[in-house]
Formats: sequence, structure tokens, C-alpha cells
Amino acid sequence: EVQLLESGGGLVQPGGSLRLSCAASGFTFSSYALSWVRQAPGKGLEWVSTINLPGTTTYYAGSVKGRFTISRDNSKNTLYLQMDSLRAEDTALYYCARPKGQYQLMPWIAWGQGTLVTVSS
Amino acid sequence: QSVLTQPPSASGTPGQRVTISCSGSSSNIGSNTVNWYQHLPGTAPKLLIYSNNQRPSGVPDRFSGSKSGTSASLAISGLQSEDEADYYCAAWDDSLNGHVVFGGGTKLTVL
Repeated sequence: EVQLLESGGGLVQPGGSLRLSCAASGFTFSSYALSWVRQAPGKGLEWVSTINLPGTTTYYAGSVKGRFTISRDNSKNTLYLQMDSLRAEDTALYYCARPKGQYQLMPWIAWGQGTLVTVSS
Repeated sequence: QSVLTQPPSASGTPGQRVTISCSGSSSNIGSNTVNWYQHLPGTAPKLLIYSNNQRPSGVPDRFSGSKSGTSASLAISGLQSEDEADYYCAAWDDSLNGHVVFGGGTKLTVL
């Protein structure tokens, strides 16, 4: 069974940093691109970032580019999102997601349950 | 403001057919496939339709998708109470070195 388990969320002050993790199991981790998607309170789904299989190519939403860094450790089956210079508008439930097919970037068929990030003083 | 445009709400009675539209541009829907997700806030989103009109295993055939030019649609026939949820379209966008765009979401109410 495919499982994605996010962790690392919490309360952080504006300007602070946080690192999210997504531990994967039930599939060959190194054969899939992975993404982060978030949902702010009362808002819709928003794509945050995607990383390719070996971790050599990354994509970012304009709202987080330059502040967030996506990475992966294929030896630990874990996806990361380093979030720096956090803003109130980054407050959201953050999901990691895996696409349906190997070597694809989309569509996302497997999702974690999310980890909540709250940016507030 | 989302890159893909969806109506904020839709509604129908049990058994009815409902459609949700998703409008984009040449750099996203016009040149890439559309995916649809069903989401209840606080839970994991569910892939409903991929590659414009394909259903993942386990998704009832009451759900169907289509695409024409720079627009796409999700149709739900035989509406059921458990279909009440938020629905999002999404597509890859070739501009700005590539990124994913979502619609703003449509809240479907089953009356």
C-alpha cells in the first residue's frame, strides 16, 4: 500500500524557518517525481513545488520561489521542503503528493494527510 | 486569483447531472492535459479524472471529463449525496519554465 506521511509542521514566527518531511513507503521511491501542494484556511488547493526523480530538476510556484527549497533523499525514501522567510500567507495544510505513473510529474494519485504550518507572531 | 477559472459553486438534486467548467489559456489547458480532483477540506484530495477524460481505477463512471481548446469540463451524472465536495481542475503550464496551475475550486452542493 502506498503511504505518504508528512511531518514537521507547527507554529513559527514570521521570518522564521521550518523543514517539512514526507516519508514514503509502499512503492519504489526513486522512480517517482514528487510534489508539495498546500491549502490555506478557507482557500483552494495551491501547487507549491515539484522535484524530479533524481532530484536534479525542481519547479516552484512564484509565491514561494527563492524562499522554499524542495529536495529528496532517495536512500531514506523521504521528500523535504525547507521553508525560509515564512510569511503569514504561507499558513496552510501542506500535502505531499505522488503521480500516477513513473517518470511523470502529474497527475497526483497518492496524497498524504497533510501537515499544518501556522505562521504567526 | 487562480490561473484556471472555475465557477465558485454548483448544485443539483440527487439523480441529476451537473457540469463544472474550467477555463484556461494556450499555455496550460490549450497545450496540456487536464486533471480533476475531489476534495473534502482537511482530508487528502482524490484524483477523479486525469488526461482530460480518464478515470483512475475505483472512480465510478458517473464521473466524466472532456476538453476542448482552452476549456475543460467535469460532468457528474446520477448525483449522490456523497458527491458533495470541492472540485478542482489542474494542468501543467508551459510558461515561466513550467509550473502547475489549479482552478479556484467549485463547491458542489447536493440539495
